[in-house]
Amino acid sequence: KQEVTQIPAALSVPEGENLVLNCSFTDSAIYNLQWFRQDPGKGLTSLLLIQSSQREQTSGRLNASLDKSSGRSTLYIAASQPGDSATYLCAVLTGANSKLTFGKGITLSVRP
Amino acid sequence: NAGVTQTPKFRILKIGQSMTLQCAQDMNHNYMYWYRQDPGMGLKLIYYSVGAGITDKGEVPNGYNVSRSTTEDFPLRLELAAPSQTSVYFCASSYSRDRGLGTDTQYFGPGTRLTVL
Repeated sequence: KQEVTQIPAALSVPEGENLVLNCSFTDSAIYNLQWFRQDPGKGLTSLLLIQSSQREQTSGRLNASLDKSSGRSTLYIAASQPGDSATYLCAVLTGANSKLTFGKGITLSVRP
Repeated sequence: NAGVTQTPKFRILKIGQSMTLQCAQDMNHNYMYWYRQDPGMGLKLIYYSVGAGITDKGEVPNGYNVSRSTTEDFPLRLELAAPSQTSVYFCASSYSRDRGLGTDTQYFGPGTRLTVL
């Protein structure tokens, strides 16, 4: 059974800092990995999707990497801003019929 | 495009009542999903559908039922509501060119916050 772990559960950083959010998964036979952002009381917004054949994806100040063999992904946020404060969830797509397994998320707070 | 829409946004039920959570998407996605999110527990898949007329159980299907009569709509039915079903429910959709071989990005609705008292 696929398990996704995100540690730590919460993180507080000063504005302007570059930071890395980690995600690990137990079954390396994945189709893709997605990073989502969730604001309080809101739904999930997809940030980046990395296919299993890819090593990384970039969107603006965000860069996500994938190392399938070691079961790890990182989300790099450059020059963090208070508007980046949210919960970031990692999810992996495994098996037939495309089931996503989610981590519990990392709640990020960027202090002005 | 409205994307994925869900109604209602909030609902309070009494134990034993029933209700249907509505979900619709206008992106012509073939895959649709229902998740529940409990505090500190991440999202868990309740049911999913790979196309109209086809549904299957996810990780936590007990106490729920679904139907998919059209590509656009994927309602979730709660029968005999219990306090354990207090949660936030998210509907999502995605497109897959090759069934079972992975899909594109999943798009989520804004959620329905359900309380069972």
